[in-house]
Amino acid sequence: GAVVSQHPSRVICKSGTSVKIECRSLDFQATTMFWYRQFPKQSLMLMATSNEGSKATYEQGVEKDKFLINHASLTLSTLTVTSAHPEDSSFYICSAKGGGSNTGELFFGEGSRLTVL
Amino acid sequence: DAKTTQPPSMDCAEGRAANLPCNHSTISGNEYVYWYRQIHSQGPQYIIHGLKNNETNEMASLIITEDRKSSTLILPHATLRDTAVYYCIAAWGTYKYIFGTGTRLKVLA
Repeated sequence: GAVVSQHPSRVICKSGTSVKIECRSLDFQATTMFWYRQFPKQSLMLMATSNEGSKATYEQGVEKDKFLINHASLTLSTLTVTSAHPEDSSFYICSAKGGGSNTGELFFGEGSRLTVL
Repeated sequence: DAKTTQPPSMDCAEGRAANLPCNHSTISGNEYVYWYRQIHSQGPQYIIHGLKNNETNEMASLIITEDRKSSTLILPHATLRDTAVYYCIAAWGTYKYIFGTGTRLKVLA
């Protein structure tokens, strides 16, 4: 199947700094990407939907100024956690859907584990 | 998206079939049923999806009831590597995919 790659897989940062996570579709063009966050022993929580060339749509309760999403090309979306704090420590996962069939599956990245000290 | 409900946990003996149910009673006519699984600290892995008809692939079978209000994922011969959290999602097109709490399947040796 198609491959979605995230980078970095693990990142540790100091409180107050910003961290950027990249999500790339390696062998297909992704018109829509989704960003999820997952806390330990919990399910994935949708944060936002990003469409190439337009602003991301954020879920209720997700601060758009804190979690900046950029989907500048059909193969790359980035999530920037600005002024990170310990409560932002989580597992961040992106997923992508190709521009073809409306019935096809989502392809997920490997996830990025953020630890804020 | 339709809300899905799944039992929180299940056990299955190695080599036996694992049958994981999902309720999606408010699914709309154009929404597909997707199944994913997540092994600890990894991204979810696609398993199978379907609309009305039963589906089978190399990983699993999907049985959807005629009224489409529920479905069952069948792993025909469960192995220890099938231990994971299994998620059922009802969605269509590029509309957002909402994960429920999933079923934590433990395959026992």
